[in-house]
Amino acid sequence: DQQVKQNSPSLSVQEGRISILNCDYTNSMFDYFLWYKKYPAEGPTFLISISSIKDKNEDGRFTVFLNKSAKHLSLHIVPSQPGDSAVYFCAASGHTGTASKLTFGTGTRLQVTL
Amino acid sequence: DGGITQSPKYLFRKEGQNVTLSCEQNLNHDAMYWYRQDPGQGLRLIYYSQIVNDFQKGDIAEGYSVSREKKESFPLTVTSAQKNPTAFYLCASSIRGEGMSAKNIQYFGAGTRLSVL
Repeated sequence: DQQVKQNSPSLSVQEGRISILNCDYTNSMFDYFLWYKKYPAEGPTFLISISSIKDKNEDGRFTVFLNKSAKHLSLHIVPSQPGDSAVYFCAASGHTGTASKLTFGTGTRLQVTL
Repeated sequence: DGGITQSPKYLFRKEGQNVTLSCEQNLNHDAMYWYRQDPGQGLRLIYYSQIVNDFQKGDIAEGYSVSREKKESFPLTVTSAQKNPTAFYLCASSIRGEGMSAKNIQYFGAGTRLSVL
C-alpha cells in the first residue's frame, strides 16, 4: 500500500522555466512533509519541508505548497537551473508516539535542459 | 565537520555470507535509520533506533539485523537469510521526534552499494 505517491517518474523542463513536482498521500495522520533531492550514487539531501498547519513554505527558488483537503503537495522550482537535475523524493511523517518514521514516495527524475 | 559516514562505499557478498555495513554520525542525533533503495523505487525503512540500546523493525526487516551500542553508531548486518540483498543502502539520523510539531528532518550518509557475487 503506497501511502505517498509520486505519479510522474520523470519531468523535463527548460532552463529558466518553472519546475513543478507533485506528490499525493493517503494517510491523514501525516503532519509533516519533506522534499529531498538525490544525485546518483549519493544520499538524499534535505531541500525543504512544510508542517500541516501551513499551506506554503518558501526558501529561495524553492516553494512547497500543501493542500490538505486534497492530500496533495507540490514543489515549485523557479527558475530551474541545470544543477537542479536530480531525483526528487517526497516524504511524509506522522505522529506515532515517539517514533519519527518517514514514508517516501518513489521519486521524480527532473531534467533541466539548456 | 558534522555528518554521517557510511562505509564501505561498495561491498560484495558471497552466497551464504553475512556482511556488515557501517554507519557513524557525529551530529549528536538520538535517532538513526537504515533504508534500502532499489532501482525505480523509493526508500524503504529496514530498521530504526530512537535511542541507544533500543531499535525497532521497519517495513522490510526480514533478513537484516542491527545493534545500537553507542549513540554515534548503528551498524546493519545483511544476513544470509536476505535472499535479494543487492541494493543501495542508506543510513540517516535525526533528532528524536516527539509530538505533533516534531520536525523530523533526517540527514543521510552517502550510501553503500551492496552486490552479490
